[in-house]
Amino acid sequence: RKEVEQDPGPFNVPEGATVAFNCTYSNSASQSFFWYRQDCRKEPKLLMSVYSSGNEDGRFTAQLNRASQYISLLIRDSKLSDSATFLCVVNPHTDKLIFGTGTRLQVFP
Amino acid sequence: EPEVTQTPSHQVTQMGQEVILRCVPISNHLYFYWYRQILGQKVEFLVSFYNNEISEKSEIFDDQFSVERPDGSNFTLKIRSTKLEDSAMYFCASNPGQGALEQYFGPGTRLTVT
Repeated sequence: RKEVEQDPGPFNVPEGATVAFNCTYSNSASQSFFWYRQDCRKEPKLLMSVYSSGNEDGRFTAQLNRASQYISLLIRDSKLSDSATFLCVVNPHTDKLIFGTGTRLQVFP
Repeated sequence: EPEVTQTPSHQVTQMGQEVILRCVPISNHLYFYWYRQILGQKVEFLVSFYNNEISEKSEIFDDQFSVERPDGSNFTLKIRSTKLEDSAMYFCASNPGQGALEQYFGPGTRLTVT
């Protein structure tokens, strides 16, 4: 089983749509969880940390289900500028971050 | 807003040559990292560095690789004898420590080994 698994997409959605991405992780001892976004040939940029109680940042809502080892990201009112690859990232209680392969989102007018 | 910077943005080298990739982490950050991303693949951890020593490294980080913090601002990754399969984007990242868990990435160096 992959350490962090994501649907690669692409998800093609119109502006204004709501879209959700899911991610599963294999190490039950993992402590910290993040969503990063990556534009083509650019660095990963931190979108938000994911907390056990779920958290929201503007149009973005992240949820964590430790029992199912499942993380989600919901984007409301999609903008053209949201087109990117969204990376599910897990810290397995060591120094390193473990990245998923990413889910590609394309928002069209 | 403070940023991680990396130089050069693109490095082309011949197989067997040594390369040094440079990074300036965010000022006052305490933890430093190198990751790589082969084209079309996921970002992979190479090494973490804290208090002037390696704190963790991956299987990829073999004897061909080394890291150094030569002064108070730079953090370098050296590849001693490059191979074709070392061609990738190399990202430096830093973390402030003191319980913070997020890592902030630089723009990367694209390494092409011919």
